[in-house]
Amino acid sequence: QSALTQPPSASGSPGQSVTISCTGTSSDVGGYNSVSWYQQHPGKAPKLMIYEVNKRPSGVPDRFSGSKSGNTASLTVSGLQAEDEADYYCSSYAGSNKWVFGTGTKVTVL
Amino acid sequence: QVQLVESGGGVVQPGRSLRLSCAASGFTFSSYGIHWVRQAPGKGLEWVANIWDDGRNKYYADSVKGRFTISRDNSKNTLYLQMNSLRVEDTAVYFCVRDGHPEIQYAFDIWGQGTMVTVSS
Repeated sequence: QSALTQPPSASGSPGQSVTISCTGTSSDVGGYNSVSWYQQHPGKAPKLMIYEVNKRPSGVPDRFSGSKSGNTASLTVSGLQAEDEADYYCSSYAGSNKWVFGTGTKVTVL
Repeated sequence: QVQLVESGGGVVQPGRSLRLSCAASGFTFSSYGIHWVRQAPGKGLEWVANIWDDGRNKYYADSVKGRFTISRDNSKNTLYLQMNSLRVEDTAVYFCVRDGHPEIQYAFDIWGQGTMVTVSS
């Protein structure tokens, strides 16, 4: 199972928006409404930010939103804040009780 | 509070074995599937294995199939990962992760802090 493809980096100024893509195949991203997104600060465990493409767990700000079109999912962070600077990973169910993660994107707040 | 705490990591020579443990608290452990996810130094996340809530079904990434075994003891609220025939490329932080089903589908909602495994001669 190959990793999902994400851009290595993305950046934006405080208050701006940044969008991260996550490209897979019809066997994972395109085949299920199962894309989730995780935020990871250096030295910390990942934190769930979005699940089932566009749902937010309790406590996650509504500045974080998700979408999907075909084999590509996206995470948008609106109103960027300094604390949003982190690595972001997408994940998708890939069938047969297996999961796949994205390659990761480092978001920098300028 | 809901918590997963891993232990058992360390330095081991290639070809040797190691067993990781993950102690759960703050939720009904026997009601949730649990995964192991790893992260090599400076690299991305990799799904390793998962086990269903009742322990009957287990699934593995191709990279560890036949070498790693996931198991659980619901009476002790503990998850295990037996790692045999370790390779240098197994070096990573290993996270114990709760499957959010049924409340949160197809996602990992609770993560442990991770335990480091280093495979080196």
